[in-house]
Amino acid sequence: QVQLQESGPGLVKPSETLSLTCTVSGGSISNYYWIWIRQPPGKGLEWIGYVYYSGSTNYNPSLKSRLTISVDTSKNQFSLKLSSVTAADAAVYFCARRAAAHDAFDIWGQGTMVTVS
Amino acid sequence: SYEVTQPLSVSVALGQTARITCGGNNIGSKNVHWYQQKPGQAPVLVIYSDINRPSGIPERFSGSNSGNTATLTISRAQAGDEADFYCQVWDSSAVVFGGGTKLTVL
Repeated sequence: QVQLQESGPGLVKPSETLSLTCTVSGGSISNYYWIWIRQPPGKGLEWIGYVYYSGSTNYNPSLKSRLTISVDTSKNQFSLKLSSVTAADAAVYFCARRAAAHDAFDIWGQGTMVTVS
Repeated sequence: SYEVTQPLSVSVALGQTARITCGGNNIGSKNVHWYQQKPGQAPVLVIYSDINRPSGIPERFSGSNSGNTATLTISRAQAGDEADFYCQVWDSSAVVFGGGTKLTVL
């Protein structure tokens, strides 16, 4: 059974770079799209961006200038880097997988809270 | 950019039927997915591609999509169904989420 686990610092200083990694276990990272989604406290879901296992990416235009998403197939991991963070970037960050048979997100990580302070 | 609109809240009496809508311009031409999120938990996919239930999702959850409105229907609502529900579509390679609907079971 495929599982996703986010990891990274829970506290980031303003103007610094937020870095998170999602580790895929129980299955291969190959042949799937992998997604980052965030949720500010008390608010809804916001799409951040996604990466295909081959390395191709697509980003939310509102974050594109600060965002890098990459994949490491040898480690079965994909990562997010968001630069120049502000308090508005504080959120629970989720990683997820886009299903192969359709384009919904069928598997999610538990999420990790990132505070900017 | 494409936008989808959900009601902020929906209430349903225990055992009755709840309907949560997701509105968007010609949304009937898109595949709509629905997620349930309980407090402190990650979202869970409950309906994909308008009408399909993933394995393990009760038959009480169903979906439809036509014209400018997609609908998630929850029959015989239970206390455990209380949660936030989000619709999601793809638009030109971008992911679009609705703002979410809080379902209260009375």
